[in-house]
Amino acid sequence: ETGVTQTPRHLVMGMTNKKSLKCEQHLGHNAMYWYKQSAKKPLELMFVYSLEERVENNSVPSRFSPECPNSSHLFLHLHTLQPEDSALYLCASRRLAGDPSSYNEQFFGPGTRLTVL
Amino acid sequence: DAKTTQPTSMDCAEGRAANLPCNHSTISGNEYVYWYRQIHSQGPQYIIHGLKNNETNEMASLIITEDRKSSTLILPHATLRDTAVYYCIVRVARNQAGTALIFGKGTTLSVSS
Repeated sequence: ETGVTQTPRHLVMGMTNKKSLKCEQHLGHNAMYWYKQSAKKPLELMFVYSLEERVENNSVPSRFSPECPNSSHLFLHLHTLQPEDSALYLCASRRLAGDPSSYNEQFFGPGTRLTVL
Repeated sequence: DAKTTQPTSMDCAEGRAANLPCNHSTISGNEYVYWYRQIHSQGPQYIIHGLKNNETNEMASLIITEDRKSSTLILPHATLRDTAVYYCIVRVARNQAGTALIFGKGTTLSVSS
């Protein structure tokens, strides 16, 4: 248990469905991340949030829509996905401390295994 | 950020030390070396990090060469539960959200009895 939870753990959806992935952390972290891991590929960074504001979007298609309503919760809203979007979606969080040279590790959730039919 | 090169896979006998190498010949002076691992179908887990001195914690040891162009992660007594993909990542230790970890393909370590 890392303190980062993700729901659901598994999701099967059709291409016309709308669904949302949820990530929650109660570690007092103030930065949150979405990663995508396709089969036999490295993890790809999708979105970065700092203090509930999006600071980075790595050219992710608009069918993925993130939302960060507060520092403890992060959502990934999905609509009209394609079969190639099937992957493991990982959420991570991190505490940004005052010391600019300090490193605070990223804690990852267990991921949501998404299958798009 | 400096690129890293790791072997695709390695095998280790249970109870023996696992030594996982990483080359980062273009590393710059303000970049740290981080190691994470990912057990099958789980999220990555932090192991250790260092700048130039050797580091040790309850999970592993990190040996960084004097010129900092390569490093080795050592699991002193590998167990079956250490079977995972191990990622070596080089990154500036800037305390900003945007300095997220960027993962490569890593080394798949298989520990067998």
